[in-house]
Amino acid sequence: KNEVEQSPQNLTAQEGEFITINCSYSVGISALHWLQQHPGGGIVSLFMLSSGKKKHGRLIATINIQEKHSSLHITASHPRDSAVYICAGERSGGSNYKLTFGKGTLLTVNP
Amino acid sequence: NAGVTQTPKFRILKIGQSMTLQCAQDMNHNYMYWYRQDPGMGLKLIYYSVGAGITDKGEVPNGYNVSRSTTEDFPLRLELAAPSQTSVYFCAIGASYSEQYFGPGTRLTVT
Repeated sequence: KNEVEQSPQNLTAQEGEFITINCSYSVGISALHWLQQHPGGGIVSLFMLSSGKKKHGRLIATINIQEKHSSLHITASHPRDSAVYICAGERSGGSNYKLTFGKGTLLTVNP
Repeated sequence: NAGVTQTPKFRILKIGQSMTLQCAQDMNHNYMYWYRQDPGMGLKLIYYSVGAGITDKGEVPNGYNVSRSTTEDFPLRLELAAPSQTSVYFCAIGASYSEQYFGPGTRLTVT
């Protein structure tokens, strides 16, 4: 079993819809990162969460530590939100710090 | 402040050739990482470094070497390129409980 599992793998929405992408993770992961990658593009960090909820514009990320689950929500989705969204678990120990990545969710928002 | 830069952007290698992928940062982060991204798969960690002079293997280190003589630079060396090394390579910097910053990527094809 992978340390970080995302769902769904693919998601198609109409402009304006509310979108949720889910991520579950293993014991030992102490923080969760959400990243965005546009087709053929670079990778941008959206959020890092170790507890609670964060909001940036139309994007909201939540984490439930007891259930080892995080969600990324997009409100009022727009075609420019079309991208791959990646969650990554952070495992810290001693002087080392590494991320383990999910396989990504390909989001397509149609006008 | 350029963040993380990578060169080259694209490269085609013949089987058995060698090359070095360059990564440089101007954010004075100690932690630097090399990942590869294959279609349908999550990012995989090749090598990482926690500071100048210190490197360690990630999940998929075979066929690669790294060095870290300065805080700023973290080159990735491919010796005897193989078709299995066809991938997109990302360099990143980060710190525990902080966001990671990614370079723009190098798209490598080995034929």
